[in-house]
Amino acid sequence: DTAVSQTPKYLVTQMGNDKSIKCEQNLGHDTMYWYKQDSKKFLKIMFSYNNKELIINETVPNRFSPKSPDKAHLNLHINSLELGDSAVYFCASSQVGPPDTQYFGPGTRLTVL
Amino acid sequence: GNSVTQMEGPVTLSEEAFLTINCTYTATGYPSLFWYVQYPGEGLQLLLKATKADDKGSNKGFEATYRKETTSFHLEKGSVQVSDSAVYFCALSDNRDDKIIFGKGTRLHILP
Repeated sequence: DTAVSQTPKYLVTQMGNDKSIKCEQNLGHDTMYWYKQDSKKFLKIMFSYNNKELIINETVPNRFSPKSPDKAHLNLHINSLELGDSAVYFCASSQVGPPDTQYFGPGTRLTVL
Repeated sequence: GNSVTQMEGPVTLSEEAFLTINCTYTATGYPSLFWYVQYPGEGLQLLLKATKADDKGSNKGFEATYRKETTSFHLEKGSVQVSDSAVYFCALSDNRDDKIIFGKGTRLHILP
């Protein structure tokens, strides 16, 4: 009965490759997010979607492309991976925007070699 | 722009000690304030929140009071446990968009 799930949990890949991370929420929420957490634990929003519509795009390189096939899913595709993309990526969801509680997935640790 | 500043960690305490983690913010208008906690290997969970001045959020023995005059939202707990060891994030939302701004996190170690 996981609320927000992400796959894979770990992803190790070479520079220049293209990879995707999937996120699904079974909470019936309308809004979903992607965050990046760097090695110093600094957490920064990347994107948010509301009912499949892009709401926030925070100066993220266009190598990162979110895709929301339906409001329960928000996938993150990354082209031409770079060393600096190594981080933990968290998906989250909320019923509406803040101050509604955001529910986070367990994270995907991406390592680019 | 909006920002959150919280005390640098790591913070190391003995079990049953009193905990304070300082958090101050800069925001226009009347933001909502949050504390999130991240246990090892997990995603963030909301610990508590306050949506207007003088509100006190509380959960699991933790408390924080929204102080508009000092733009602060310090996290406190009277008696910490080993299981409280985690990274704590102060955060705000100005309620105008879907964005939550997080502080840099404070790692807390509780020794038995």
